[in-house]
Amino acid sequence: EDQVTQSPEALRLQEGESSSLNCSYTVSGLRGLFWYRQDPGKGPEFLFTLYSAGEEKEKERLKATLTKKESFLHITAPKPEDSATYLCAVRPYGGATNKLIFGTGTLLAVQP
Amino acid sequence: ETGVTQSPTHLIKTRGQQVTLRCSSQSGHNTVSWYQQALGQGPQFIFQYYREEENGRGNFPPRFSGLQFPNYSSELNVNALELDDSALYLCASSRNTGGGSNQPQHFGDGTRLSIL
Repeated sequence: EDQVTQSPEALRLQEGESSSLNCSYTVSGLRGLFWYRQDPGKGPEFLFTLYSAGEEKEKERLKATLTKKESFLHITAPKPEDSATYLCAVRPYGGATNKLIFGTGTLLAVQP
Repeated sequence: ETGVTQSPTHLIKTRGQQVTLRCSSQSGHNTVSWYQQALGQGPQFIFQYYREEENGRGNFPPRFSGLQFPNYSSELNVNALELDDSALYLCASSRNTGGGSNQPQHFGDGTRLSIL
């Protein structure tokens, strides 16, 4: 069964304290792995797509990496405005749908 | 560029009632997917509409149904509401060429449905 597990469930950082979020996945065939950010009361906001092991994407203080079993979202020198829930999702091969399978997310709090 | 918009933002219903939620897709997008997000959980795929037809469904019963219109907007209908249907319902749109796509889905801010 296709599955996504994110850790930790919650993370509290001081402003400027770098860290990484983990997304482990089990999927029959990976068409793509997606990272989203979700603020309270809002829908998920797209951050990155990764397609194959070894691929990396960067945006401001965020960098996403992908291996055959997991993905990491590295946050460098975070600011309070980076506080949000970060969701990881996989799109498996098979079928014509764009179905995403999500993890439960990591709630990040960055304190000034 | 107009993003994905959903209405209403909040809704309160009682058990056994029926509800219709609406979604306007992002400009240039032809595919709409619906997700249910319970509190503290990740979104769960309900179904997808492409060319006005359902072309994929998650583990949701038939009382969850939908429509897509020629302008690519969509509706989610839920009959015989149950307490467990209380959740945030998210609509996501993307551009699909028919065989599935790796284009990212863009989400609206959802409809918060509460069942009393």
